[in-house]
Amino acid sequence: GENVEQHPSTLSVQEGDSAVIKCTYSDSASNYFPWYKQELGKRPQLIIDIRSNVGEKKDQRIAVTLNKTAKHFSLHITETQPEDSAVYFCAASIDGNQFYFGTGTSLTVIP
Amino acid sequence: GAVVSQHPSRVICKSGTSVKIECRSLDFQATTMFWYRQFPKKSLMLMATSNEGSKATYEQGVEKDKFLINHASLTLSTLTVTSAHPEDSSFYICSARRMNTEAFFGQGTRLTVV
Repeated sequence: GENVEQHPSTLSVQEGDSAVIKCTYSDSASNYFPWYKQELGKRPQLIIDIRSNVGEKKDQRIAVTLNKTAKHFSLHITETQPEDSAVYFCAASIDGNQFYFGTGTSLTVIP
Repeated sequence: GAVVSQHPSRVICKSGTSVKIECRSLDFQATTMFWYRQFPKKSLMLMATSNEGSKATYEQGVEKDKFLINHASLTLSTLTVTSAHPEDSSFYICSARRMNTEAFFGQGTRLTVV
């Protein structure tokens, strides 16, 4: 089955700085890669996703890049704000069905 | 966006009893729903894929007789934790995917077995 690895497990940045979270996946058939933000005790919320037919996608302060050859994808958050503090999960999926999640990154933005 | 509702949000049960968790897609039909388990400060682990009108597909290592899944309609899937043990205590989350769109998660169920 799919194996998704995520790094780092914890990340602290100063407000205004950028944060980068990286994930690798094992199954070359995976073609859909969402990123979720989860606050304590709440459901994961989709923040951005990318499909395998594109290499980069951006939505305001958030961007995701995908390298299919190397089987890795990254989340970039620029101009971080305290409300960005949460746990972020990457996931890999075939056609958006079963999701295999990374281990999570706890992001803390220091005011 | 689409709404997926889970019930109950919290449940405490005694060891040896069974607990049923419901996952409903409120404004769309979901032929497939997914059940995940999340331990504290850990990732979401896919447990099984629930298929409307047929048997669920379980991930390796997940006991199908322990975690019974029923998907009797296009808007409802249930997960029953049978003969619950304290180690079954966890956060259980379902998700459903509307055709060709993103998956939506329920709010989760915090199960505590005492």
